[in-house]
Amino acid sequence: DAKTTQPNSMESNEEEPVHLPCNHSTISGTDYIHWYRQLPSQGPEYVIHGLTSNVNNRMASLAIAEDRKSSTLILHRATLRDAAVYYCILREGDDKIIFGKGTRLHILP
Amino acid sequence: KAGVTQTPRYLIKTRGQQVTLSCSPISGHRSVSWYQQTPGQGLQFLFEYFSETQRNKGNFPGRFSGRQFSNSRSEMNVSTLELGDSALYLCASSLLTSVEQFFGPGTRLTVL
Repeated sequence: DAKTTQPNSMESNEEEPVHLPCNHSTISGTDYIHWYRQLPSQGPEYVIHGLTSNVNNRMASLAIAEDRKSSTLILHRATLRDAAVYYCILREGDDKIIFGKGTRLHILP
Repeated sequence: KAGVTQTPRYLIKTRGQQVTLSCSPISGHRSVSWYQQTPGQGLQFLFEYFSETQRNKGNFPGRFSGRQFSNSRSEMNVSTLELGDSALYLCASSLLTSVEQFFGPGTRLTVL
């Protein structure tokens, strides 16, 4: 079973920042936090991952709580193309990836 | 660099038949993973191959099998198809086993 909990859906306005939460209270010290997203009619795509420190890349930022029991994916300026299902995943090293239900993000124009 | 390609993109089979799906990873990628996606169960991990060896396996019956060739291309086979096997089958490749995965567009299998 997935070891993360995410809201089923969220809405955000276009050009506004979006904060997607993820709870992972049973995270172990060696679990990496990965985020993928799946746009309509496409396969999932990698967004970002981190272990303990906050991470930034061209797509998003990942904020990890100090106790690592939760994290937040931040899209700094949402566009309509960011409408997708976002998956928060815990992965220990090269262990298999277990996808949960994810959060369906709706972007309002 | 070309992305992950999967063939065929669409397939219709009848119960009891078998099917083989193919995946060509990104050039240089040695790890290939397979997933099944259905509306009810979401994305479920099938298996992962690295350098022709199966490294991880999900909770699927033995009717689901796979292999990887020396050029890293992979195939998965489903025998004795059931209606419930209707799904989108996704292949993902990665340079190594622990880094980001790149997904293909999937093969849509319909079992009648």
